[in-house]
Amino acid sequence: AQKITQTQPGMFVQEKEAVTLDCTYDTSDQSYGLFWYKQPSSGEMIFLIYQGSYDEQNATEGRYSLNFQKARKSANLVISASQLGDSAMYFCAMREVTGAGSYQLTFGKGTKLSVIP
Amino acid sequence: GAGVSQSPSNKVTEKGKDVELRCDPISGHTALYWYRQSLGQGLEFLIYFQGNSAPDKSGLPSDRFSAERTGGSVSTLTIQRTQQEDSAVYLCASSSSRDSLYEQYFGPGTRLTVT
Repeated sequence: AQKITQTQPGMFVQEKEAVTLDCTYDTSDQSYGLFWYKQPSSGEMIFLIYQGSYDEQNATEGRYSLNFQKARKSANLVISASQLGDSAMYFCAMREVTGAGSYQLTFGKGTKLSVIP
Repeated sequence: GAGVSQSPSNKVTEKGKDVELRCDPISGHTALYWYRQSLGQGLEFLIYFQGNSAPDKSGLPSDRFSAERTGGSVSTLTIQRTQQEDSAVYLCASSSSRDSLYEQYFGPGTRLTVT
């Protein structure tokens, strides 16, 4: 079963509007972390935001916020006031402790966001 | 400061040949990860190094894949007898043990094409 599900292969948003990128996850661990990364066409992975499973407040970083609903196992990324430079692939990821005791990130398949001028 | 660097940036090889991909993590980072990203897909975990501990090899897809990390710094991912399905972008990431709960810093990747 998929551990990270991103149901939107592609999204369009008008410049200056807000957009929500969906992410649901599956884990039986009590302690885990959720991440969002941005991957522009140049290929580098850029860290955007992190939410710990025990964090009571939703994480925010500038125009990025994470709508964390633990009971629903969802961690949606909200981008406010979209800019043309936000056009990229966005990946949701979950950090888990593996059987070998190491940290591992499991990634979703990504959502391609296109910002329309 | 310098970020994670990887070399080569692009590698084209013939099926059956061996290849070596190199990763230089951020200085002082004790954790190092290798991932593979096939075309249009998310990242697939391959292997994880933490300090001097035995690596977590649980993500390696076959015994043709191996990796080492010398002196706790530079890492080399080796693929033996390459196959066409090995074509992908191989990404390396590092994190400090203190920050491993939060963020991994990624390199630019090596694009491997097996012909």
